[in-house]
Amino acid sequence: SQKIEQNSEALNIQEGKTATLTCNYTNYSPAYLQWYRQDPGRGPVFLLLIRENEKEKRKERLKVTFDTTLKQSLFHITASQPADSATYLCAPQGAGGTSYGKLTFGQGTILTVHP
Amino acid sequence: DAGVTQSPTHLIKTRGQQVTLRCSPKSGHDTVSWYQQALGQGPQFIFQYYEEEERQRGNFPDRFSGHQFPNYSSELNVNALLLGDSALYLCASSLFADQGDTQYFGPGTRLTVL
Repeated sequence: SQKIEQNSEALNIQEGKTATLTCNYTNYSPAYLQWYRQDPGRGPVFLLLIRENEKEKRKERLKVTFDTTLKQSLFHITASQPADSATYLCAPQGAGGTSYGKLTFGQGTILTVHP
Repeated sequence: DAGVTQSPTHLIKTRGQQVTLRCSPKSGHDTVSWYQQALGQGPQFIFQYYEEEERQRGNFPDRFSGHQFPNYSSELNVNALLLGDSALYLCASSLFADQGDTQYFGPGTRLTVL
């Protein structure tokens, strides 16, 4: 069965450092992979989407990589700030058919950035 | 431009009761998906509605049912509530025509079953 694992439940880093979050998947061939941010008691907020033919994507201080051979995506936040503290969710997604529109999320990684 | 809205914010029910949660999608969106998120877990897909029909369904029992109205708003109904149904219920909207669509989530309804 499809399985998504995010590297650890919690990641603590110092302000200004780069946070790196990992998303591994098995029994899956996603055409896209999305990353979301979720604050306590709130719904997830979309951050970035990367397609299978893209190796890397950037948005301001965020960078996502997608390695379909390793079945892994890395999510980086550079120059991290305490305001980046949140839970980050990855969601690999197939293209069309029964996968369309049906996001399957990892369990999330809780990131805490200390001042 | 209003985002996704959900009501109520919080709800407390007892085992065996029935509950209805409501969602209005983001303006311009025609597709609504529902997710259940238990504490400490990622959201789990329940089902998706488009053109007033259920298009996709996750691994949830028939006690979970839904409806989409002509204005694209949606309801999630859960019958015969169990303690394990306690969770944050999230509604997400998107455009059906967009492959690899990003989904816009509402703030959720926190359901507690006693």
